[in-house]
Parts: sequence; structure tokens; C-alpha cells
Amino acid sequence: DGGITQSPKYLFRKEGQNVTLSCEQNLNHDAMYWYRQDPGQGLRLIYYSQIVNDFQKGDIAEGYSVSREKKESFPLTVTSAQKNPTAFYLCASSRGFGSGELFFGEGSRLTVL
Amino acid sequence: GESVGLHLPTLSVQEGDNSIINCAYSNSASDYFIWYKQESGKGPQFIIDIRSNMDKRQGQRVTVLLNKTVKHLSLQIAATQPGDSAVYFCAENRASGTYKYIFGTGTRLKVLA
Repeated sequence: DGGITQSPKYLFRKEGQNVTLSCEQNLNHDAMYWYRQDPGQGLRLIYYSQIVNDFQKGDIAEGYSVSREKKESFPLTVTSAQKNPTAFYLCASSRGFGSGELFFGEGSRLTVL
Repeated sequence: GESVGLHLPTLSVQEGDNSIINCAYSNSASDYFIWYKQESGKGPQFIIDIRSNMDKRQGQRVTVLLNKTVKHLSLQIAATQPGDSAVYFCAENRASGTYKYIFGTGTRLKVLA
């Protein structure tokens, strides 16, 4: 079954710690994205990658970092610089960059204690 | 469970009735639109999409209507079932290749038995 796998589903972190959220896709999609979802708001774009070894900041990139060393993998690191990291994080991919249907993973819920 | 959707508008519908969920989109240049369904604690699932050269598109039990004059999108669900209970949100995009998908905040659909 093709799809996007995010892990872990739930993560707790102490203030001052960095955490990395995993995102793997076997859809052979070039483009991958990270979104943040907060109650009462639409999805907000953190980072996106058009192709391997390339990525760009989205609208709320401060306090986050990513890498794209392999086509199928796009991990997101939430650093201690992110002031309000508690949120639901969604990874997505699309066949073409910025066009067509976005396929989403099941999400990772990060809670900072 | 996931707290996304706590403060969203809610549509309550009797099981078996039709549901209509509305979305006002923001960019008059957008030419591709998607409806997603999101169940609590899960990632968004694609329901149906429509391009701006169409006014209406039908799927299985779902119909999307697009009114470009007033920048309005609606999702109609026929014979609503308990499994349809979820948050529904729209997304807009320009097919010219911008990375920017713009997401609505969503509507919670509650199906009453």
C-alpha cells in the first residue's frame, strides 16, 4: 500500500529539547511538505521540498529545520528555538511541486511539558 | 485525541439527510480546489477536487460546486451517514506551480442518529 508514514504519533518533550519527527513516503513523489495544525486555524506551511537535496522555508519556519537527503524521507526537527511547539504536525506529498492533490500522513502530536 | 476543531463551526445533520458544507476561498487566481475530511487524531483524507474550468463535479455520494463569481465552494454529501462525522476543510491552489496551498479552517459535521 502506497502512502505516507509519520512517526511517532505522540511525542512529549521537555522545554529546551530538540525533537525530530519522521516522515517517509513510498508514493515516488518529488514534493514533500510539513504543515502545522492548531485549533481553529487552517494548516500552516513550515517547510517544503521540491526535490531531493533542496528545501525552502514556508510561512512559519522559525524554530524548525528539515533535511531531504532521500526522495522518500523528509524529517522535521522542532528546535528549542520554537516558542510554541505544542501542535499537531502533518507531513504531505504531491506528485508535482505545488500542484495536484496533497497526500497526508496520519500526523504527529507534539506536546511540550 | 486531537484537539483540532474545538472552536470550529458545527453542522449537525440527521442521519440520512443531505449535508452542505461551505467554504469561501481567498484568491481569485486560484484554479484548483480540494475538499478534505479529517477524523479526530488522523491526517486529512482527500474527498474530491475540482478545477476552475468546471462548476460542478460529482463523486460517490459527494458533489462539489464552484462559484467563481463569489469565490465560493460547497461540498454536498448525500444520505449522510455516522461515518461522515468529521471536520471538513477546503484547500485552494494555483495550478501554475506555486507551492502555496491555502487551507480553510474547517467545519465540523456531526451526524445525529
